Amino acid sequence: DADVTQTPRNRITKTGKRIMLECSQTKGHDRMYWYRQDPGLGLQLIYYSFDVKDINKGEISDGYSVSRQAQAKFSLSLESAIPNQTALYFCATSQRGTREPQHFGDGTRLSIL
Amino acid sequence: EDKVVQSPLSLVVHEGDTVTLNCSYEVTNFRSLLWYKQEKKAPTFLFMLTSSGIEKKSGRLSSILDKKELFSILNITATQTGDSAVYLCAVEKNYGGSQGNLIFGKGTKLSVKP
Repeated sequence: DADVTQTPRNRITKTGKRIMLECSQTKGHDRMYWYRQDPGLGLQLIYYSFDVKDINKGEISDGYSVSRQAQAKFSLSLESAIPNQTALYFCATSQRGTREPQHFGDGTRLSIL
Repeated sequence: EDKVVQSPLSLVVHEGDTVTLNCSYEVTNFRSLLWYKQEKKAPTFLFMLTSSGIEKKSGRLSSILDKKELFSILNITATQTGDSAVYLCAVEKNYGGSQGNLIFGKGTKLSVKP
């Protein structure tokens, strides 16, 4: 089983719909991150959480919200999806105080029509 | 504003060639620089560099960091078709003495032809 699991893997939906992307991890890490990737733009940070009660905006948080339901779960919501939010979304984890790099899930491909 | 710039953005080579990928950065509170390889799915970790001038090596891949000139290079020797991927450079910020966020470059798309 993957250490960082994202669901769904693929989603097609319509403009204006509410979408939730979920991320769960079995690595026991305290830090979790959401990124989006557009073609040719690398990864951009949406939100990050350093523990259950510490949630912070990243570079491109407008139009998104997050919830850290437990140490192992971090969900990303699009309250009213728009076509320019079509992208590949990645969740990542890391552990404070270690030299381990961020570890990524396999991504959710989201298409908004 | 923090930024990470990779060059070239794309590169086509033939098997057996040697390639050098570049990454320059301007990031406050630098902690480390990381290289990832991305094929179809998740970025997979290659190297983490924290000190200048110390080469990290893994098989045919190697990388080095210059903290004075603010850049890093990733070398791949004797390239193979399996090296075809997007190579991402990211700078990790320092947050209270521990890991902070990653600032990514746009990536270099490497295509290796047989």
